Amino acid sequence: IAGITQAPTSQILAAGRRMTLRCTQDMRHNAMYWYRQDLGLGLRLIHYSNTAGTTGKGEVPDGYSVSRANTDDFPLTLASAVPSQTSVYFCASSLSGEGYNEQFFGPGTRLTVL
Amino acid sequence: AQSVTQLDSHVSVSEGTPVLLRCNYSSSYSPSLFWYVQHPNKGLQLLLKYTSAATLVKGINGFEAEFKKSETSFHLTKPSAHMSDAAEYFCVVSDLGNFNKFYFGSGTKLNVKP
Repeated sequence: IAGITQAPTSQILAAGRRMTLRCTQDMRHNAMYWYRQDLGLGLRLIHYSNTAGTTGKGEVPDGYSVSRANTDDFPLTLASAVPSQTSVYFCASSLSGEGYNEQFFGPGTRLTVL
Repeated sequence: AQSVTQLDSHVSVSEGTPVLLRCNYSSSYSPSLFWYVQHPNKGLQLLLKYTSAATLVKGINGFEAEFKKSETSFHLTKPSAHMSDAAEYFCVVSDLGNFNKFYFGSGTKLNVKP
């Protein structure tokens, strides 16, 4: 089934640990995104990528890094997790980064940092 | 700069009655506007989008929205609510000329009473 998969579904992590959230899409979309969702704040963009080999910073990039080695995969890494990174993380993709293209979302990763 | 305001954080309706979820936006250029729905513990799913074509946009599950430039609004409506419509709804704005700039409202939780 075409779409976006994310792993893990949920994770509890000790502060200071490194963590990589995985995201894979099979729609051959050029653009991919990472958002975090916090109660009352909607979704905020962490990082994005318009095409394989390029990435850019979103609204809340501090403490996160991404890579885009190929079209399908867009992992998000927390180098040293802090409690304020407790959130639900959504990966999304779209045909291109242009504003008229709708985004397709994965099911999310619920991360708790203690 | 773009922004989105969802005027109600919670809306409660009875099954079979109309639904109105309000969204106002600000945009410097030609906006693209989207409504997404999020069921509990799920990712976001596109309901409908406006990208400078017809101002009345029809989406899935009987939802529609009307783009009103003079009022800078893009309210979501449905003639008759169903129990399965209970979810959180997000209004999103982007600009046709921009890349990777999607602005999410803070969401409206729709409760449908039997």
